[in-house]
Amino acid sequence: SQQGEEDPQALSIQEGENATMNCSYKTSINNLQWYRQNSGRGLVHLILIRSNEREKHSGRLRVTLDTSKKSSSLLITASRAADTASYFCATVRTDSWGKLQFGAGTQVVVTP
Amino acid sequence: DGGITQSPKYLFRKEGQNVTLSCEQNLNHDAMYWYRQDPGQGLRLIYYSQIVNDFQKGDIAEGYSVSREKKESFPLTVTSAQKNPTAFYLCASSPGTSGMLGASYEQFFGPGTRLTVL
Repeated sequence: SQQGEEDPQALSIQEGENATMNCSYKTSINNLQWYRQNSGRGLVHLILIRSNEREKHSGRLRVTLDTSKKSSSLLITASRAADTASYFCATVRTDSWGKLQFGAGTQVVVTP
Repeated sequence: DGGITQSPKYLFRKEGQNVTLSCEQNLNHDAMYWYRQDPGQGLRLIYYSQIVNDFQKGDIAEGYSVSREKKESFPLTVTSAQKNPTAFYLCASSPGTSGMLGASYEQFFGPGTRLTVL
């Protein structure tokens, strides 16, 4: 079963708007990571947040983690057409050596 | 995709045939992984290897086999026993984590191989 579940499944916004997507998980984690995948390509690591962190920023990305609710959110500010991609959260469980468990992803379309 | 190559990009196979997908990395990473991705879905782990000459089954290993004879290479064989092999296959690697406190387990992905069974 999927450890991470993203919400929404799809998101359509205009350039300049913010995009927010959420991820929920079920077990204790070591860290949570977000990846981006352009159509037909490999995944690219965006940002990692550890279980003892609550918020992290990287450029136009902001990630939050609430371990009490077992959830995370990814915010992309001032979206660009180049942000069009699928976004996946992946968790590293505390009882699992380095193995990532991925959700089904959120497909984001940014229109000019 | 830098540092990890997968070949070929597209692969066609007839039913009943085995086929091997190549994955090479020059990042000096100890760990390597194989994932399968079906349309509109996330990644599922097939096999992973923490170190040379060692590998473990992931969540969906049936019908697949791997080898790890060299640190740089982790080929995946899709056998005729795999019932539904048509999918997008992704290879990844990560730095060694044994004994490293706080290791991030960030993974670096190749560009993928799209396998179609005819």
